[in-house]
Amino acid sequence: NAGVTQTPKFRVLKTGQSMTLLCAQDMNHEYMYWYRQDPGMGLRLIHYSVGEGTTAKGEVPDGYNVSRLKKQNFLLGLESAAPSQTSVYFCASSYSVTKETQYFGPGTRLLVL
Amino acid sequence: GDSVTQMEGPVTLSEEAFLTINCTYTATGYPSLFWYVQYPGEGLQLLLKATKADDKGSNKGFEATYRKETTSFHLEKGSVQVSDSAVYFCALSDGSARQLTFGSGTQLTVLP
Repeated sequence: NAGVTQTPKFRVLKTGQSMTLLCAQDMNHEYMYWYRQDPGMGLRLIHYSVGEGTTAKGEVPDGYNVSRLKKQNFLLGLESAAPSQTSVYFCASSYSVTKETQYFGPGTRLLVL
Repeated sequence: GDSVTQMEGPVTLSEEAFLTINCTYTATGYPSLFWYVQYPGEGLQLLLKATKADDKGSNKGFEATYRKETTSFHLEKGSVQVSDSAVYFCALSDGSARQLTFGSGTQLTVLP
C-alpha cells in the first residue's frame, strides 16, 4: 500500500515548456486535490476532483489544467510554464465528504527558468 | 471566503518546553479543523483534527480544542522534543468537496 505517490520528484523547465505531473493513489479515494506550496503562503488549492471524469477549479487555477480519466490518477498539466509557477506541488486524496482526512504525496519540486 | 490565520514563526524552544501555536479561522459554514505537520523534505501528515465545536483532537502529546466562540484551534504540547522540529499548518475543511484552506505555517525548532 503505497498511499499517494507523485512523479517526478524534481524537474527544471525553461519558460514556455510544457509538462505533466502525475499523482496516483491506491486507497480507492474519490476525492483528489492539487496544491502548490510557496514560502510564507501555506498551501493553495489549484484544482480538485470529486470523482472519475470530474474536475473543478480551486483558488489558483490559472495556467494549469487537470484530468482524472482513472479514479486512481490525477494529472496536473502546465501548457506553457512561467517563472511564477516555480513551486512545490502536492497532491492529496480523501475517501469521501464524511471521511474527509486528506492524505498527501511527497511533493514535486518544480523550477521554471 | 474562508481563511486561516496562524501565529507567525519561526518558533525556537528548548527541549521539554511548553508549546502553543495560535490558530484562528473565518468560515461561513461548519468547518472541520485540522493540524498538519511537515517534516523536512516530506509531504504533509495529519497530526490531529476536530469536526465540531468543543471537540478536542489529540495525538503524540499534541492537543487542540475547537472553540467556536473564539473561532480558534490552538495547538499545544506540554513538553516538546527535538523530533518535533517541523512546520505546522492549521487548516479548515469546508465546501461541497471539503477543500482544505491552510494557514501560512509555523516553523518550530526544538533545541537539545
